[in-house]
Amino acid sequence: GQQVMQIPQYQHVQEGEDFTTYCNSSTTLSNIQWYKQRPGGHPVFLIQLVKSGEVKKQKRLTFQFGEAKKNSSLHITATQTTDVGTYFCAQEGSSNTGKLIFGQGTTLQVKP
Amino acid sequence: NAGVMQNPRHLVRRRGQEARLRCSPMKGHSHVYWYRQLPEEGLKFMVYLQKENIIDESGMPKERFSAEFPKEGPSILRIQQVVRGDSAAYFCASSLTGGETEAFFGQGTRLTVV
Repeated sequence: GQQVMQIPQYQHVQEGEDFTTYCNSSTTLSNIQWYKQRPGGHPVFLIQLVKSGEVKKQKRLTFQFGEAKKNSSLHITATQTTDVGTYFCAQEGSSNTGKLIFGQGTTLQVKP
Repeated sequence: NAGVMQNPRHLVRRRGQEARLRCSPMKGHSHVYWYRQLPEEGLKFMVYLQKENIIDESGMPKERFSAEFPKEGPSILRIQQVVRGDSAAYFCASSLTGGETEAFFGQGTRLTVV
């Protein structure tokens, strides 16, 4: 079945260091979405990437969609303690119904 | 414009009891999705509903679990005869069009089976 692999599972950084999480699929994706979940919270939509090679920025966050539309990454520059949480990539299921298949998530810890 | 509302936020049930989880989608949204998140894991799709219709229940266990989204009122996820393994966070999400659009998640219901 469809699967999205996400690495690393955990990342501990010192405040001010950069952070990157990667998402890989064995199949070509129509689009990919990224969500953030704070500890004890619920997933919050960050962005959707649709085009091959697309790069989008939100302040210190940079999202990339691979040329082959099989991988994606989220990079955070100069992490802050407010960046703590789990970052999930999600692909849409093949039925095009909006059903999402989530990666396992990368949990980011930031030491002040 | 209220977001996706789920209740209760926390639910404790003894083994063998029934759990009923409610979800009211965002105003104007008619597409509702239920996901389950086990501790330290990602979210797993369970079921997709539109008003009065189950569209995709491929992620729903065949026994003890059911879902509905009536014409009036919230969507309900019902778990009968709960077991310890049902302990998880259950999230509801709604979307406007049901395809290639962002999903808005509720705060979740944390079910604990004792």
